[in-house]
Amino acid sequence: DAMVIQNPRYQVTQFGKPVTLSCSQTLNHNVMYWYQQKSSQAPKLLFHYYDKDFNNEADTPDNFQSRRPNTSFCFLDIRSPGLGDAAMYLCATSRDDRGIDGYTFGSGTRLTVV
Amino acid sequence: RKEVEQDPGPFNVPEGATVAFNCTYSNSASQSFFWYRQDCRKEPKLLMSVYSSGNEDGRFTAQLNRASQYISLLIRDSKLSDSATYLCVVTLNTGGFKTIFGAGTRLFVKA
Repeated sequence: DAMVIQNPRYQVTQFGKPVTLSCSQTLNHNVMYWYQQKSSQAPKLLFHYYDKDFNNEADTPDNFQSRRPNTSFCFLDIRSPGLGDAAMYLCATSRDDRGIDGYTFGSGTRLTVV
Repeated sequence: RKEVEQDPGPFNVPEGATVAFNCTYSNSASQSFFWYRQDCRKEPKLLMSVYSSGNEDGRFTAQLNRASQYISLLIRDSKLSDSATYLCVVTLNTGGFKTIFGAGTRLFVKA
């Protein structure tokens, strides 16, 4: 089945130690998104790629970076995780940025910072 | 004012009940509307798109009221498995496309 896969499901990292979360998709969708979701809150868009074009949200901290080396893969790099960065990180894809067909989400990576 | 607002609930209903959620949006440039379901500690999953004429999928009915800027989700004959958080999602076109998630409404269906 075509899908969006995130690895790992759970990630524990030390305060200040760089961490990378990965996402892959077999849907051949043009757009890949990274969301941060904290408990009982709406998913918050960090950035997205439309093909190779990177689109950063204005309020996304510089501590968060992303790479999309090819259509299938997208990475979220947190350069110096703080305690406030503990959250569920969701990768999503859509055919285009109009989102008419909705998004397909990966199962998420739950990040714990110790 | 938040761009997409939902009653956080929780809504506690018995099995078999009918329950309705509303979601209001503030930007008249909103053009696409969705309901997503999110189970505890899982990812959101698309439940249904919301069309201008309203649409139904089994026990689920979605309505859009553009004049009053709200969408609704009606669940009939609630099942235990309907227990989840329901997220209202709106896509705007303001020169570029932007998708906004509501914080969700929690539903508990009890036996």
